[in-house]
Amino acid sequence: DTGVSQNPRHKITKRGQNVTFRCDPISEHNRLYWYRQTLGQGPEFLTYFQNEAQLEKSRLLSDRFSAERPKGSFSTLEIQRTEQGDSAMYLCASSLASNQPQHFGDGTRLSIL
Amino acid sequence: AQTVTQSQPEMSVQEAETVTLSCTYDTSESDYYLFWYKQPPSRQMILVIRQEAYKQQNATENRFSVNFQKAAKSFSLKISDSQLGDAAMYFCAYLYSGAGSYQLTFGKGTKLSVIP
Repeated sequence: DTGVSQNPRHKITKRGQNVTFRCDPISEHNRLYWYRQTLGQGPEFLTYFQNEAQLEKSRLLSDRFSAERPKGSFSTLEIQRTEQGDSAMYLCASSLASNQPQHFGDGTRLSIL
Repeated sequence: AQTVTQSQPEMSVQEAETVTLSCTYDTSESDYYLFWYKQPPSRQMILVIRQEAYKQQNATENRFSVNFQKAAKSFSLKISDSQLGDAAMYFCAYLYSGAGSYQLTFGKGTKLSVIP
């Protein structure tokens, strides 16, 4: 069990640029989640995959956001035309089943200049 | 919609002493799970303890225990014999246990400082 891995740890970009984050879940976990955490707040749900199927998207996820999980393994979260308000920590989690504890990665901290 | 409230933004405790962190939640469901997660500075969020709502017995994990009051919708975390490594943000979280459940709902967190 190597844990949930997220890359990069930090991303600094200019407003208007596109960014992509990667998440590698725990190998036997078929559920994968993305959350966003802003300063002073708890994580907020963004989206959820069961295997390769994206089953739910939060209304927080505007049209500029897209997530994929090809072949039900790793997942990517892409943000197009980044805005100042996108600055946050993006957390990935995985679980063995939907009612089992979610295990989190270290997160990717996005800073928009 | 479910909500989770942590009314203590910051708490401090003397090393080796006991501290209790508060959490209340609102739900119309009867079957759910409650969690406490710990997030040290710039480090990974770690599960501390889990409670199933159908269980009356309070969960315990070593120095960590909960006081689960289902009728009052209260779920507090007690840390005994506090250690310097306990310093972190602590988040209370709710998960509906019904079909299709997946979304953890978190509180805003409590920052715990441990004084040597």
